[in-house]
Amino acid sequence: LAKTTQPISMDSYEGQEVNITCSHNNIATNDYITWYQQFPSQGPRFIIQGYKTKVTNEVASLFIPADRKSSTLSLPRVSLSDTAVYYCLVGGPNTGFQKLVFGTGTRLLVSP
Amino acid sequence: EAGVAQSPRYKIIEKRQSVAFWCNPISGHATLYWYQQILGQGPKLLIQFQNNGVVDDSQLPKDRFSAERLKGVDSTLKIQPAKLEDSAVYLCASSPGLQNEQFFGPGTRLTVL
Repeated sequence: LAKTTQPISMDSYEGQEVNITCSHNNIATNDYITWYQQFPSQGPRFIIQGYKTKVTNEVASLFIPADRKSSTLSLPRVSLSDTAVYYCLVGGPNTGFQKLVFGTGTRLLVSP
Repeated sequence: EAGVAQSPRYKIIEKRQSVAFWCNPISGHATLYWYQQILGQGPKLLIQFQNNGVVDDSQLPKDRFSAERLKGVDSTLKIQPAKLEDSAVYLCASSPGLQNEQFFGPGTRLTVL
């Protein structure tokens, strides 16, 4: 299974755009990139998933370069409620599509 | 739509005692997962069910942990006997099938004294 590397923590202020980069050098051809968000005392929550180029939903954008060895989760205009841990996961049909490995994640702290 | 339900939310036991956790997945979801999340770490997959069959239990400490999913709906995870290092949050998740999005429950926080 592809291993991912993320920054341990990031700080931001309300209203700023936050970009969290994830490295996955050994990503397989069929692997997708998925991001989850976890608040304290809650289970993780799916944010966004992509395979290549750019994906955008109502919550975030996911940028994936052509070589797919990294990806960037972009959170526009963060608020205090975006303070959470963000996990980058890689997986696909050939590596156990459902068998996603959570790393330690990136702890985002948004301040006023 | 109701989410994944877990009970109890909190449990405190002494080492060598037994404990069981219950999970009710989202209706119609064929795949069910149990994760262990130790403080400061990401969730670690313990076991995955597809309907009532085990798909992956490679990281389940089978000498003390067991899980079942009777009738392909609810599931229970048991620890017998518990050790101090089992203190963690136990998360249950479900998904409709071969899709990547998993829906997590609130978890059960276990403290082993």
